[in-house]
This record gives sequence, C-alpha cells and structure tokens, in this order.
Amino acid sequence: EAGVTQFPSHSVIEKGQTVTLRCDPISGHDNLYWYRRVMGKEIKFLLHFVKESKQDESGMPNNRFLAERTGGTYSTLKVQPAELEDSGVYFCASSHSGTVFGYTFGSGTRLTVV
Amino acid sequence: GENVEQHPSTLSVQEGDSAVIKCTYSDSASNYFPWYKQELGKRPQLIIDIRSNVGEKKDQRIAVTLNKTAKHFSLHITETQPEDSAVYFCAASKWNNDMRFGAGTRLTVKP
Repeated sequence: EAGVTQFPSHSVIEKGQTVTLRCDPISGHDNLYWYRRVMGKEIKFLLHFVKESKQDESGMPNNRFLAERTGGTYSTLKVQPAELEDSGVYFCASSHSGTVFGYTFGSGTRLTVV
Repeated sequence: GENVEQHPSTLSVQEGDSAVIKCTYSDSASNYFPWYKQELGKRPQLIIDIRSNVGEKKDQRIAVTLNKTAKHFSLHITETQPEDSAVYFCAASKWNNDMRFGAGTRLTVKP
C-alpha cells in the first residue's frame, strides 16, 4: 500500500510569505495528524482530523496556521504570513480507527523561513 | 493533556554495549506507548510498542518496559550496532489517538 506522502519535501520562503504544505494519508485512514519538529526539540502535536472534522487543534501555535481536510482525504496546512520561528520539519501522520500499529508518518516537509 | 518527558537527550555508547532511554508520562489514562526511530533525513518509523496491560515486550535486541504505577517506560537496546544510531522518540496516547511525543534521544553508537 502507498504510504503517507507529503510535499513539498523542502520549502524556503521569506518572512511574510505564504506556504501551503500538503499531506496525502494512507487511503482509508480516517485519522490524520500534523506535527512539527523544531531543531533538537520534540515532535510537537499541532492538530488531529477525523475524516474532514478537526478533532483537536489545541497544538496550533496561532491563527497564522490554517489546516483543512476537505472531503476527508488529503490535508493542507497553510502558514500565512510565515515568521522565522515557523521553521522546522512538519510531519503528517495517519492511522486507521482501531489500528494497533501506531501511526504511519510521512517523510516531512522541511520549512525554512528566512 | 498528556505530557511526555524523555531522557537523556543525547546518548553515546560503544558498539556492543547496551543503551537505555527513559520516558515518563503524566496522564494515567494513557494506555499505548510506541517508540519511533528516526534516521537522518528519514521519517519516524515505529520500532516497538507496548500496551498498558503488559509490563515488558521484547523483539530481538530491543525491549520495552512499562511501569504504570510510576508512569514511566523505557527502551532497551542490547548489543548496539552502528546502524542503531538515530534519534529515538517515545510517545504516549489513549487508544492510539492524539499521540504525544517526547523530545527525542540522539543515540550514537561508536564502532
């Protein structure tokens, strides 16, 4: 089966610009998560979708971040306007409701804001 | 919400030695504790997990232990090899939902 795919793999943007990250979960996975890892720190939870609904968005840092999952398939995470502290690796993960095998992660998008 | 702490942040061992990474969690309702290994430039990969109804689980050179009373769990790697070098993350969740991760441990195995 295809894994979780994310693109772009890398993005370098200037402060104040907008960037949209995309995640395609494993087909049939209802749960989709966004995480962020800043250099040397933990993989920090951002939000959780169940199908197209936001189950938990308590980890979203501020209103410059907007996540969507229209139709309950792929998800996008938009940062607008980007700030320097938004730099990091953004991971997406998906899981099937009731799975016992943990999450499957995408390869991540490395975002650098300069 | 759940808070996971992980120690040490870096660990260097000689090839063949054992490595132990420890994590604590705060939510007593958490019942699923996976460990992920992230090699440089790659995605985190699940390497082993344990559920709250089990105290220990082993898979070849890797073992995890769980102490529910103390709310801590540990990863043990025996006979370490250079390819074990990576960042290891512990995590805790309730029924595989809303997983929270530790800060990671960078393990270096010196040949």
